[in-house]
Amino acid sequence: GAGVSQTPSNKVTEKGKYVELRCDPISGHTALYWYRQSLGQGPEFLIYFQGTGAADDSGLPNDRFFAVRPEGSVSTLKIQRTERGDSAVYLCASSQLAYPYNEQFFGPGTRLTVL
Amino acid sequence: AQSVTQPDIHITVSEGASLELRCNYSYGATPYLFWYVQSPGQGLQLLLKYFSGDTLVQGIKGFEAEFKRSQSSFNLRKPSVHWSDAAEYFCAVGGANAGKSTFGDGTTLTVKP
Repeated sequence: GAGVSQTPSNKVTEKGKYVELRCDPISGHTALYWYRQSLGQGPEFLIYFQGTGAADDSGLPNDRFFAVRPEGSVSTLKIQRTERGDSAVYLCASSQLAYPYNEQFFGPGTRLTVL
Repeated sequence: AQSVTQPDIHITVSEGASLELRCNYSYGATPYLFWYVQSPGQGLQLLLKYFSGDTLVQGIKGFEAEFKRSQSSFNLRKPSVHWSDAAEYFCAVGGANAGKSTFGDGTTLTVKP
């Protein structure tokens, strides 16, 4: 079956612009996670959804970052007024039920470059 | 606060040799521990996990890891490395707070022929 997909695979934008990154989880997975991976570092937790609601958004770095999952499936990570420091690979993962008891399956990521 | 340290940024081993990747964690309660592998252009893949019970856990691709509470370590091992094991390896710690895993900065494994 299909895994987690993320679009676009690459996004180049200019400082100050708005971007949206999309994640399509594995069908039937209720939990969805966003991470950010900067060069030379491990993934950094951003936000976790259980169904439609954000169960934990404590990793969002500031109010320029926002994520939604309106129908409990596809999720969009939105970044306003992008800054050069936002450049990173944004990873999405999903799991059947709540992690850590259930394996997280990761997508290939969206590489965001802010010029 | 939870944290993970992977002391080795880069390790090179010869094909067929044994491998040990180190991971030290800090967590205030019972930790849930994970090892992931990330190959170029691929998503992170779970190798193995530890929740409780036997401190030696077996994973996919011939990997195993041993949880040592007294040393706050969860080192990954493989008795004989294959060229296809070349990748980046991440250790992660989580807890009952679902989703909030903390990853180390990774160890890049190079395999010499």
